[in-house]
Amino acid sequence: DGGITQSPKYLFRKEGQNVTLSCEQNLNHDAMYWYRQDPGQGLRLIYYSQIVNDFQKGDIAEGYSVSREKKESFPLTVTSAQKNPTAFYLCASSPLTRGTNEKLFFGSGTQLSVL
Amino acid sequence: RKEVEQDPGPFNVPEGATVAFNCTYSNSASQSFFWYRQDCRKEPKLLMSVYSSGNEDGRFTAQLNRASQYISLLIRDSKLSDSATYLCVARNTGNQFYFGTGTSLTVIP
Repeated sequence: DGGITQSPKYLFRKEGQNVTLSCEQNLNHDAMYWYRQDPGQGLRLIYYSQIVNDFQKGDIAEGYSVSREKKESFPLTVTSAQKNPTAFYLCASSPLTRGTNEKLFFGSGTQLSVL
Repeated sequence: RKEVEQDPGPFNVPEGATVAFNCTYSNSASQSFFWYRQDCRKEPKLLMSVYSSGNEDGRFTAQLNRASQYISLLIRDSKLSDSATYLCVARNTGNQFYFGTGTSLTVIP
């Protein structure tokens, strides 16, 4: 089945540690996105990418980094510079062509907590 | 100003009631609009796209008013299974999707 796979489902970070969240899609979508969701809040855009080897900052990119070396993969690194990383992280993808499939497709999310 | 704003609720309604959610967006160039449903600690799932002429899917009706930059979702004959958070989403010309904070709905037996 086609879809988006995020791993791990739960992740714990120690002080000063960088951690990487995985996101893989086999939908052949050009665009991929990372969102952060805090309790009782909506989704806020961290980074997005519309093509391999290119990505743009969203509204809350500070303390995060991404790469897009392959169309299928868009890993997110939460660096030690992100002082409040505890949140639910969602990866999504979307085709760039207009039409009935222009919507966002989501992975099942990663809950990141600080030890 | 936030790109998309919603009344967070909560809305607590009895089974069988009709409930309406509203949403406004600030970017007049926004191109596409959606309603997503999110259950607790799960990923959002598409409920329906919102078209300029308005559209209906069973008990759900979505409306778009571009002049007022306003989107609505109407749920008729509410079911217990409709209890969730409903997220309003706007896509801009740069293919960025912006989410409202969500409106919480609880349907009471």
